[in-house]
Formats: sequence, structure tokens, C-alpha cells
Amino acid sequence: DAGVTQSPTHLIKTRGQQVTLRCSPKSGHDTVSWYQQALGQGPQFIFQYYEEEERQRGNFPDRFSGHQFPNYSSELNVNALLLGDSALYLCASSLRRAFEQFFGPGTRLTVL
Amino acid sequence: SQQGEEDPQALSIQEGENATMNCSYKTSINNLQWYRQNSGRGLVHLILIRSNEREKHSGRLRVTLDTSKKSSSLLITASRAADTASYFCATDAYDYKLSFGAGTTVTVRA
Repeated sequence: DAGVTQSPTHLIKTRGQQVTLRCSPKSGHDTVSWYQQALGQGPQFIFQYYEEEERQRGNFPDRFSGHQFPNYSSELNVNALLLGDSALYLCASSLRRAFEQFFGPGTRLTVL
Repeated sequence: SQQGEEDPQALSIQEGENATMNCSYKTSINNLQWYRQNSGRGLVHLILIRSNEREKHSGRLRVTLDTSKKSSSLLITASRAADTASYFCATDAYDYKLSFGAGTTVTVRA
């Protein structure tokens, strides 16, 4: 039973660039949430996708956008990267927006 | 901003000892969960306790919840080296947004 997978594992970008991170949910799950975790901090909720629509959003600017595909996989896009966007980006999946979530290993983004 | 706040920030114990960490939160919640994170990688769900529950057990884990004090505790009994990790509490308020604290880093010494 495949767990949550994320790609790429690591990514280095420069300020002003754009990045796309990808997530495949755990088998059987239909809901994907994205989190940003800065070094030494807990994860911060970015948004949640269910039935291909953004259902909830945290306090993140419009530079952060996402998409969910019919196969439930998801992408996180960040435009106009800032140094402060350097973080571990975590994807979590659940079934029908259940509160218990299953996390992927994360993508480490470094912005130079 | 983060809803939960774990205490202590760091904890070092001997293998076989118990580890206790606490979580305080600010607003009313629906559920409180505890997650473990090894070496800055993905989080692993440990246990979920609902707002109408006071105590829950899972293996060597015991979680309590006191909604009047807006606090929870996680007890790990008979700790092992593999328990070395960061532990986070996460709350939700019926809106599917999980709000995490900054975590407690636990080191289990052999």
C-alpha cells in the first residue's frame, strides 16, 4: 500500500523564480493538504484540496497556488520566490477530509 | 501564527524512562492530535483525541486532554532509542485546518 509520495526531494531556486512541487496521496485517499515548515518550527497550513477545489486556505499570499487532478494528486506552485520561502514543504492526504492526516516525506526548498 | 505551544522545547532522557510533554492551545478545538517527526522528514500520526474525551491510550502512548485548561499531555512509557524525534501537537476547530505547535525535541540516551 503506497503511502504519500512527494517530488522532488530537494530543490534549489533563486529569488524571483517559480517552483512546482508534486504530491501523490496515499492509496484510497481523495483529500490533499499542503504545509510549510520553516526550520525549527511546526508546520503551517497552506491550503487543502478536495474534489479538485481549494476548500480551505491558511494565511499565505496569492503567490502560493495549487491544483488537484482527477486522480487526486496535487501540485503546489509558488511564484516570485522570496528567501523566506525556504522551508520543508509537506503534503498530507486523508479520506473525505478526515482530521487524521498522512504525511509525505516533504520537499526541501532552498531559495538563494 | 501557531495555535499550540509545546513544553518543554527539548527533553533528554535515559532509555527505559518515561517522557512527558505538554501542549497548550488558545481557542476551542474539535480534536487534538499528536505527530512524530524524525530528522526533519515527514510527520507520523500517533494519536487523535476528541474534545469530549479525557484520556486515550495507544501502545506505550498515553494522551490526556483538559479542555477547561486548554491543554494536553503526551506520555511515552519505557522509552527506546527509536523514540528520539520531535513531537508536535496539532489542533483543529471543525475547519479542517490543522494548527501545529513548535514541537518538543526528545532525545533518548542509550
